[in-house]
Amino acid sequence: AQSVTQPDIHITVSEGASLELRCNYSYGATPYLFWYVQSPGQGLQLLLKYFSGDTLVQGIKGFEAEFKRSQSSFNLRKPSVHWSDAAEYFCAAAPYNQGGKLIFGQGTELSVKP
Amino acid sequence: DAGVIQSPRHEVTEMGQEVTLRCKPISGHDYLFWYRQTMMRGLELLIYFNNNVPIDDSGMPEDRFSAKMPNASFSTLKIQPSEPRDSAVYFCAAGTSGNTDTQYFGPGTRLTVL
Repeated sequence: AQSVTQPDIHITVSEGASLELRCNYSYGATPYLFWYVQSPGQGLQLLLKYFSGDTLVQGIKGFEAEFKRSQSSFNLRKPSVHWSDAAEYFCAAAPYNQGGKLIFGQGTELSVKP
Repeated sequence: DAGVIQSPRHEVTEMGQEVTLRCKPISGHDYLFWYRQTMMRGLELLIYFNNNVPIDDSGMPEDRFSAKMPNASFSTLKIQPSEPRDSAVYFCAAGTSGNTDTQYFGPGTRLTVL
């Protein structure tokens, strides 16, 4: 079955430290891949997406993600975390050419220590 | 661009009552999606429309749930009768034909059924 897995439910990092949030997908073929962020009481905001081409994708707010086909992974990274990055992060996948059928991971809640 | 607008933002109702959630998508975005978010099940796609026509409603949990899109600028999700297990945050999202896999989310409606 198609699925997206985020192994870490909750991560705490110190402000200024680097961050990596993990995401693995299980699909027959490489899907489109996304990272969204959700602040408390808010909707989801798209951080970045991967469709094809360069496997290192740059997004908003200083985030990047790297697609690794061999590991079926699409991990999100940020070199230096800011307190305002505290939020919930969702990885999502959509099968190629099945526009709209996004499947989300369970989310990773990020806390930032001062 | 006002983004996706949802109303109400919060709804508290009693079991057995009818609940109607509303969504105004982004102008020019011809795809509209309804999601439900709960702690137990995460984010689930309920139904989506293209050009006001329902394309896939396989995620609608029961016949108590129904969704309509009478025109390009308005959609409703109705629950009748409501049950406590329907308590969740319901999101509406918009996408376009050329870029259906990139979805823009509204702020959500938090529904509590007592």
